[in-house]
Amino acid sequence: AQTVTQSQPEMSVQEAETVTLSCTYDTSESDYYLFWYKQPPSRQMILVIRQEAYKQQNATENRFSVNFQKAAKSFSLKISDSQLGDAAMYFCAYRSVAGGTSYGKLTFGQGTILTVHP
Amino acid sequence: GAGVSQSPSNKVTEKGKDVELRCDPISGHTALYWYRQSLGQGLEFLIYFQGNSAPDKSGLPSDRFSAERTGGSVSTLTIQRTQQEDSAVYLCASSFRPSSGANVLTFGAGSRLTVL
Repeated sequence: AQTVTQSQPEMSVQEAETVTLSCTYDTSESDYYLFWYKQPPSRQMILVIRQEAYKQQNATENRFSVNFQKAAKSFSLKISDSQLGDAAMYFCAYRSVAGGTSYGKLTFGQGTILTVHP
Repeated sequence: GAGVSQSPSNKVTEKGKDVELRCDPISGHTALYWYRQSLGQGLEFLIYFQGNSAPDKSGLPSDRFSAERTGGSVSTLTIQRTQQEDSAVYLCASSFRPSSGANVLTFGAGSRLTVL
């Protein structure tokens, strides 16, 4: 079974600065997807960014980018020019591409609470 | 609808009572998932529905938990004889049938259950 670990329960950053959230995972599969989700106080999980394991290029979405190190099984999220609205709980998630009844199921890490200071 | 709708938003119940939580997925989404988020914990998979296939119930923590999905749309998660450890936020998500592309789950705002 796959596991996802986020070793930083809490992180903080000054507005306009850059912060990196860490995520490692364990899998024996060679192809899979990785995601970062954001959960603000409203509780609604919002997709921030996704990465296909077979792609070597790191995914980027505006101020959000990832550092995907497949051999090290590491998938960190970098937030540049942090904004007050970035404050939330961030979850790293893994999805297998294997078929069967569990297709599409996400395995989540424990989450990192990000605080943004003005 | 435009998004995944869950009700009730908040539910307070007494230990031993039964509760039902409802999820209305995005129209056209054939896959539906339930997750549980306990205080200070990550998201724990509960159950997965895909079309008319048999659901993946591997995450249900006990036989007090059950879920159904009627007509391939609305889903109800039922917890019988609730216990205090059932207190959590129950999140529902839906997606199109998984294909060769990345399967993006759209989540609802969750139902917060408090068992006194």
